Amino acid sequence: DGGITQSPKYLFRKEGQNVTLSCEQNLNHDAMYWYRQDPGQGLRLIYYSQIVNDFQKGDIAEGYSVSREKKESFPLTVTSAQKNPTAFYLCASSIGGMDEQFFGPGTRLTVL
Amino acid sequence: SQQGEEDPQALSIQEGENATMNCSYKTSINNLQWYRQNSGRGLVHLILIRSNEREKHSGRLRVTLDTSKKSSSLLITASRAADTASYFCATASTSGTYKYIFGTGTRLKVLA
Repeated sequence: DGGITQSPKYLFRKEGQNVTLSCEQNLNHDAMYWYRQDPGQGLRLIYYSQIVNDFQKGDIAEGYSVSREKKESFPLTVTSAQKNPTAFYLCASSIGGMDEQFFGPGTRLTVL
Repeated sequence: SQQGEEDPQALSIQEGENATMNCSYKTSINNLQWYRQNSGRGLVHLILIRSNEREKHSGRLRVTLDTSKKSSSLLITASRAADTASYFCATASTSGTYKYIFGTGTRLKVLA
């Protein structure tokens, strides 16, 4: 089955900890994205990657970091510098920069 | 805010009725896309309409685009309880590839 997966589904973090969210796709898409969703606010772009070994900051990159070492994988690290990380995180991929996006099921991160 | 706006924020209708939701945006676009999100899940792409198109159909979905008013509408005909979800528009700008701008969403509830 082709698709995009995220893990874990739920993640709990203590204050001061870094955590990494996984995103994997087997759609052979060049572009991958990370979004944050807060209640009633739609999606906000954290980082995106157009191609392997390249990524760009989105609108709310502070406190987050990413890597793109493989075409299939685009992990997101939520660092301790992110002051309000509790949110629903969505990963997506697309063929190009204006095409339909395919989304993973999301990871809900809660800070304890 | 860079986000688009959707109207209404919430909509409750009876099964069999039509549901119309609207999206307004701010920039020049290459295309506009509509997505559905079931509670706590990832987004699913519904339909893409290009800036040179005025209307597009897909099954029970009808999308219109008015670039002069920077607005789009999504019509779901003969709604079903399974259509209960949040619906988001997303624009792909002509000046910012890979940076889709999502609306704040319309929460649709279809009562059986």
